[in-house]
Amino acid sequence: DAGVIQSPRHEVTEMGQEVTLRCKPISGHNSLFWYRQTMMRGLELLIYFNNNVPIDDSGMPEDRFSAKMPNASFSTLKIQPSEPRDSAVYFCASSLSGTGAQPQHFGDGTRLSIL
Amino acid sequence: AQSVTQLGSHVSVSEGALVLLRCNYSSSVPPYLFWYVQYPNQGLQLLLKYTSAATLVKGINGFEAEFKKSETSFHLTKPSAHMSDAAEYFCAVSESGGYQKVTFGTGTKLQVIP
Repeated sequence: DAGVIQSPRHEVTEMGQEVTLRCKPISGHNSLFWYRQTMMRGLELLIYFNNNVPIDDSGMPEDRFSAKMPNASFSTLKIQPSEPRDSAVYFCASSLSGTGAQPQHFGDGTRLSIL
Repeated sequence: AQSVTQLGSHVSVSEGALVLLRCNYSSSVPPYLFWYVQYPNQGLQLLLKYTSAATLVKGINGFEAEFKKSETSFHLTKPSAHMSDAAEYFCAVSESGGYQKVTFGTGTKLQVIP
């Protein structure tokens, strides 16, 4: 079975540019999570969707970040404008439900570098 | 509020030696507990989970963890370390009942010395 698929795997861009990260969750999973991982802050939850609806976006750092889930098989995380401090590895994860009992399945991440 | 503490950001063991990675949690209600492993340039993969069934949980790759409510601990062990076990390990907790955010620990990097 295909796991969570993220693209691109690596992104290098200049400060001020728009960045779009993409995620395809595991088929049948109805919960989707976006995380950011850095050495300084570890793994941070940015936003959680359940049945394509954003449920918890309290981790989104500021208005420059936005996330959408137009259908059950696709989600995007957008940063506009990007800043060097946004450099991190961004993970998408999906699970069967958002109750906490189900484990999350992670993609391999997008390594983002903002110059 | 839930939280998880992993003692030791780096642990080194010799190949063939016991692996013990420590995790303590805080939760106001019965928790769900997880251990994940992350290899370089990959996402986190589930090793094992505790969801209030047996207190001793067996996972993949020979790992197991024991839920001890009295100690609020969920330590990860493996009797004999293998070189392929070198990775970063994350303990995570979530609370039962409705949507509950999963809180991850800060991770422990395991080094296996030949």
